Amino acid sequence: GESVGLHLPTLSVQEGDNSIINCAYSNSASDYFIWYKQESGKGPQFIIDIRSNMDKRQGQRVTVLLNKTVKHLSLQIAATQPGDSAVYFCAALSGGYQKVTFGTGTKLQVIP
Amino acid sequence: GAGVSQSPRYKVAKRGQDVALRCDPISGHVSLFWYQQALGQGPEFLTYFQNEAQLDKSGLPSDRFFAERPEGSVSTLKIQRTQQEDSAVYLCASSIQGGNYEQYFGPGTRLTVT
Repeated sequence: GESVGLHLPTLSVQEGDNSIINCAYSNSASDYFIWYKQESGKGPQFIIDIRSNMDKRQGQRVTVLLNKTVKHLSLQIAATQPGDSAVYFCAALSGGYQKVTFGTGTKLQVIP
Repeated sequence: GAGVSQSPRYKVAKRGQDVALRCDPISGHVSLFWYQQALGQGPEFLTYFQNEAQLDKSGLPSDRFFAERPEGSVSTLKIQRTQQEDSAVYLCASSIQGGNYEQYFGPGTRLTVT
């Protein structure tokens, strides 16, 4: 089965700095990856996704990098803001099916 | 339009009681998912519907857990004879259709079994 894990449970960054959250996955057949943000008391919220035929995708202040060789992806948040404080999950899917396997999560704390 | 809604938001049940958790997906969304999220953990897949068909229930932890979506819209997750280990947040998500489309999550129902 799929195993998705995050390298760090908690990340503290200064407001305005860039944040990098890392994630490793185990299933080499995974072909679609998603980053979710979950604020306290809310459900996960889609941030950005990337398919396995890409190695980089950019959104508004966020960039996802995918390294299929080492089965690793990262989420970069530019100019981190207090509103970015949340738990971030990476998720991996394979086979065109939507059964999402979430990692444990990284808590991002933004220091004003 | 409205997002995914779930009710109740909070539920306290005595051990042994039955509970029913409701999910209203986004109108027109074909796919519906239930997840269980323990404190400090990522969501764990429970079951998946495409319209009214339950295509995957491999994540349901025991036969005390039952989910239905009889008309292909609203879904109910039922837990019989609740146990303390059932305490968790139960999340519902919907998506337009299968094939790696974005899932939209509801706020969840926090179940506490005492």
